[in-house]
Amino acid sequence: NAGVTQTPKFRVLKTGQSMTLLCAQDMNHEYMYWYRQDPGMGLRLIHYSVGEGTTAKGEVPDGYNVSRLKKQNFLLGLESAAPSQTSVYFCASSYLRPNTGELFFGEGSRLTVL
Amino acid sequence: AQKVTQAQTEISVVEKEDVTLDCVYETRDTTYYLFWYKQPPSGELVFLIRRNSFDEQNEISGRYSWNFQKSTSSFNFTITASQVVDSAVYFCALIDPNSGYSTLTFGKGTMLLVSP
Repeated sequence: NAGVTQTPKFRVLKTGQSMTLLCAQDMNHEYMYWYRQDPGMGLRLIHYSVGEGTTAKGEVPDGYNVSRLKKQNFLLGLESAAPSQTSVYFCASSYLRPNTGELFFGEGSRLTVL
Repeated sequence: AQKVTQAQTEISVVEKEDVTLDCVYETRDTTYYLFWYKQPPSGELVFLIRRNSFDEQNEISGRYSWNFQKSTSSFNFTITASQVVDSAVYFCALIDPNSGYSTLTFGKGTMLLVSP
């Protein structure tokens, strides 16, 4: 069972470069999320999606864009990377709202912006 | 506004000790849900428990137990007879009604180090 898969696992960017993180889930989940984890800050929600074709902003959306063109994929884009976006990014998914089902997380993607 | 506070940044114990991880939450809603997740060194977060605001019964699962007290807005997590494999970062989380109960607000986490 693949569950939630994130690619790439590691990436180093220079300031101003762009990149896309891909999250894929094979559990037919409706809800998908992108979080970032920084030391001393815990997990903060960037964007989320409650279904194919829908996206919404989370707590820290600035500098990121997302797309959910297919139900199984949730893409996180950085158009012009900044050092402040150095972080570990986690994708998660759930079949239903979290009050009825658990979130399944990917292994994380470590991004460094120089 | 919603808030989850995990005041303990890091806890170190010796194997077989009992340890309690604190979680204090703030919410204006009468219906809410609380969660605990574990993040082992491998990095992937793992769901441990979900509790709704109407169920104040304590829960026990093996060496894990949870104490939910609405009077003090706390949802504490106790590991009995800790083991090295319990070493991880533990996150408490609260569901966010402002997102239609679609998202979670996480605390900053408590790193638990269990030494042999």
